[in-house]
Amino acid sequence: EIVLTQSPATLSLSPGDRATLSCRASQSVSSYLGWYQQKPGQAPRLLIYDASIRATGIPARFSGSGSGTDFTLTISSLEPEDFAVYYCQQRNYWPGTFGPGTKVDVK
Amino acid sequence: EVQLLESGGGLVQPGGSLRLSCAASAFTSSGYAMSWVRQAPGKGLEWVSVISGSDGNTYYADSVKGRFTISRETSKNTLYLQMNSLRAEDTAVYYCAKGVTSWYLAPLDYWGQGALVTVSS
Repeated sequence: EIVLTQSPATLSLSPGDRATLSCRASQSVSSYLGWYQQKPGQAPRLLIYDASIRATGIPARFSGSGSGTDFTLTISSLEPEDFAVYYCQQRNYWPGTFGPGTKVDVK
Repeated sequence: EVQLLESGGGLVQPGGSLRLSCAASAFTSSGYAMSWVRQAPGKGLEWVSVISGSDGNTYYADSVKGRFTISRETSKNTLYLQMNSLRAEDTAVYYCAKGVTSWYLAPLDYWGQGALVTVSS
């Protein structure tokens, strides 16, 4: 089973700041890496898939990059609604494992 | 608008059974991979099971293999998860999710609101 590690565990930032979240896989997952956002009491929402493709309706301030084992989610300028937990997920191998999450909270 | 509505959650004793349902609307679920993903209280996400939209093949996480069964009823546009021999560690919110395509490893673009399953005596 592929293990995903996310860093940092918590990111404390202010609205308007740039957020950079990392995800590292225990072995190559090619470009089959996605990012999900989850707010308290809500289901996860797909933001990015295949490392860099924004899902339908996702604002351009969200961008993804990387391949192989190292990936990054960047939020160019944080909006108030962006404070949430972000999970990366690989889908190169079954089971498609999720990372432990990065919480982006208000500084 | 695509919607997924889970039902069937509740409190069950260890060793008991429960069946979750997920009613899909505004799309034909049999044409897509459909999944169950769970989240234990205060924990992360675990992809539990998926049924392929192309060939109907099913896949399970090792933690539930042999105890859970995923299935679909095309006429009702509904996905199911039959859960047997439940354990305390199965306590979680169970989400139904739609794949972007029919491939079993497709990204999950629509999610239901979740159904809480509590396994406790």
